[in-house]
Amino acid sequence: DADVTQTPRNRITKTGKRIMLECSQTKGHDRMYWYRQDPGLGLRLIYYSFDVKDINKGEISDGYSVSRQAQAKFSLSLESAIPNQTALYFCATSDQTTGPNNYGYTFGSGTRLTVV
Amino acid sequence: AQSVTQLGSHVSVSEGALVLLRCNYSSSVPPYLFWYVQYPNQGLQLLLKYTSAATLVKGINGFEAEFKKSETSFHLTKPSAHMSDAAEYFCAVSDQGAGNMLTFGGGTRLMVKP
Repeated sequence: DADVTQTPRNRITKTGKRIMLECSQTKGHDRMYWYRQDPGLGLRLIYYSFDVKDINKGEISDGYSVSRQAQAKFSLSLESAIPNQTALYFCATSDQTTGPNNYGYTFGSGTRLTVV
Repeated sequence: AQSVTQLGSHVSVSEGALVLLRCNYSSSVPPYLFWYVQYPNQGLQLLLKYTSAATLVKGINGFEAEFKKSETSFHLTKPSAHMSDAAEYFCAVSDQGAGNMLTFGGGTRLMVKP
């Protein structure tokens, strides 16, 4: 099984619908992140969580909400989807390691969301 | 605040040619730097990282990158491109002052011609 699992892999939804993207991890990491990827814009941070009780907005949080149900689960919701939220969404995890053992992030395989 | 600039959103090379993907960063503290690769329909995978040890870092699949503090650069190279190297590559800088959160560049899509 993958270390970071995202469901669904692909989703087409209609404008105005509520949709939830789910992420679960087996890394045992405390920190989890949601990014969206758009061509030419790289990855932009939507929300991040350093532990179950700590959730923070990223640079593009408008129109999104999150829930950290457990250390291993971090869900992203679009309350009322709009077409410009069509993108590839990634969940990632990390630990708190500093110094030479900083391994960066572990990514899920992504969810391709299309809002029509 | 940290930032990363990848020069060239698309790079095309012939199979067997040198691959050079450019990354410049800004950071107020000594940075940790990363290169990730994204193959089609997959997530991002760590290619290599610099965390203040040797300035020349070797990664997977024959890639390497050199940290040059004077140029604030961390360019990715591979002596001979292979068709399987076609992917998108992201440079990232870790902000030690913000819990090691990563800031990503805009990505460079590498195309390899036969």
